[in-house]
Amino acid sequence: SQQGEEDPQALSIQEGENATMNCSYKTSINNLQWYRQNSGRGLVHLILIRSNEREKHSGRLRVTLDTSKKSSSLLITASRAADTASYFCATAGPYNNNDMRFGAGTRLTVKP
Amino acid sequence: DAGVTQSPTHLIKTRGQQVTLRCSPKSGHDTVSWYQQALGQGPQFIFQYYEEEERQRGNFPDRFSGHQFPNYSSELNVNALLLGDSALYLCASSLGASPYGRLYNEQFFGPGTRLTVL
Repeated sequence: SQQGEEDPQALSIQEGENATMNCSYKTSINNLQWYRQNSGRGLVHLILIRSNEREKHSGRLRVTLDTSKKSSSLLITASRAADTASYFCATAGPYNNNDMRFGAGTRLTVKP
Repeated sequence: DAGVTQSPTHLIKTRGQQVTLRCSPKSGHDTVSWYQQALGQGPQFIFQYYEEEERQRGNFPDRFSGHQFPNYSSELNVNALLLGDSALYLCASSLGASPYGRLYNEQFFGPGTRLTVL
């Protein structure tokens, strides 16, 4: 069964706007990762945040993690048409990073 | 440096048949994980191979089996195919030897194999 649940399921914005996607999970985690997938192709790793971290930045991406609420958010600033993709959060359990549990994803559309 | 490669890209089979999918990990990686992604869903973990052994398995029936070779490449076999096995099958590789690696190393995904069962 899937662990993370992304919200919203779909998001449509204009180029230049910010996009915020949320992820909730159910059990204790070691880390949480965000991935991007273009048109049903392979997943591209975006960022990993450990359970003892609260915020992490990578370029135009900002990820937050609230372990007390079992939730995370991904913010993409100044979005571009090329950011159009599906975004997934994945959680890793306490023992290893390889059995990751993915949510159903948020489908982001950035209109030029 | 080639990333994770998978073959074939697309595959069409009929119910009851058997299929073998192949994955070559990123150079230097020793651990391969397989995921099934149904249309509109997130990937679901099938199993993981390390040192030629299945180290961990998700909630998939025994019809799904795998193998890892000494060069770390891997195969996923599915027997007695069902219509519901139609999906994108993703392979991911990582470094899994050390405890730190198992906890924090990024998984690199291949482009996937699209399996259609008719």
